[in-house]
Amino acid sequence: GAVVSQHPSWVICKSGTSVKIECRSLDFQATTMFWYRQFPKQSLMLMATSNEGSKATYEQGVEKDKFLINHASLTLSTLTVTSAHPEDSSFYICSASPRMNTGELFFGEGSRLTVL
Amino acid sequence: GQQLNQSPQSMFIQEGEDVSMNCTSSSIFNTWLWYKQDPGEGPVLLIALYKAGELTSNGRLTAQFGITRKDSFLNISASIPSDVGIYFCAGRVNQGGKLIFGQGTELSVKP
Repeated sequence: GAVVSQHPSWVICKSGTSVKIECRSLDFQATTMFWYRQFPKQSLMLMATSNEGSKATYEQGVEKDKFLINHASLTLSTLTVTSAHPEDSSFYICSASPRMNTGELFFGEGSRLTVL
Repeated sequence: GQQLNQSPQSMFIQEGEDVSMNCTSSSIFNTWLWYKQDPGEGPVLLIALYKAGELTSNGRLTAQFGITRKDSFLNISASIPSDVGIYFCAGRVNQGGKLIFGQGTELSVKP
């Protein structure tokens, strides 16, 4: 099957520091990966589309300088939350598809960020 | 922008009962996906629908892609305690395009 893995699964950091979250496609190559954010008891909100070898496409209202996305290879995308603040605390989830033309999207396990 | 309206927001049922939830949209979608999310985990794909009118089953789960391409429903038959979780519908306009999520249906099953 299509497996997407994230690391770390949870992280606690001090306000003002930067945190990097990795998203890997383990058994397929992904030219496109998607990053979502989810607050407690809410739905998933798309933050940005990560494109291998090119700049990410950010959704309206998402600060690209705050949430840095790098898609350096066909199996790895990273999300860096820069100068994190308590309001950035959330559940971040990445997703990818092994076959973009079929529409199926598979999700990682998610990364819980807590900023103190 | 595109939005998906999912209902009900929550359901409390007895083990063994059937469950039905649905999503509607003001826009046309060409792909409908149904996911289940357990606490602290990422969503897991349950069923994918690609054609208007398509009816697809996965074990006790059945989902349909509405004829108008603006709605979809998910049925769970003979619910069991492990069905507990949040179910999300999601739609895509184009293959490879953004996936838009519904608000979720939180299912509780009483043994």
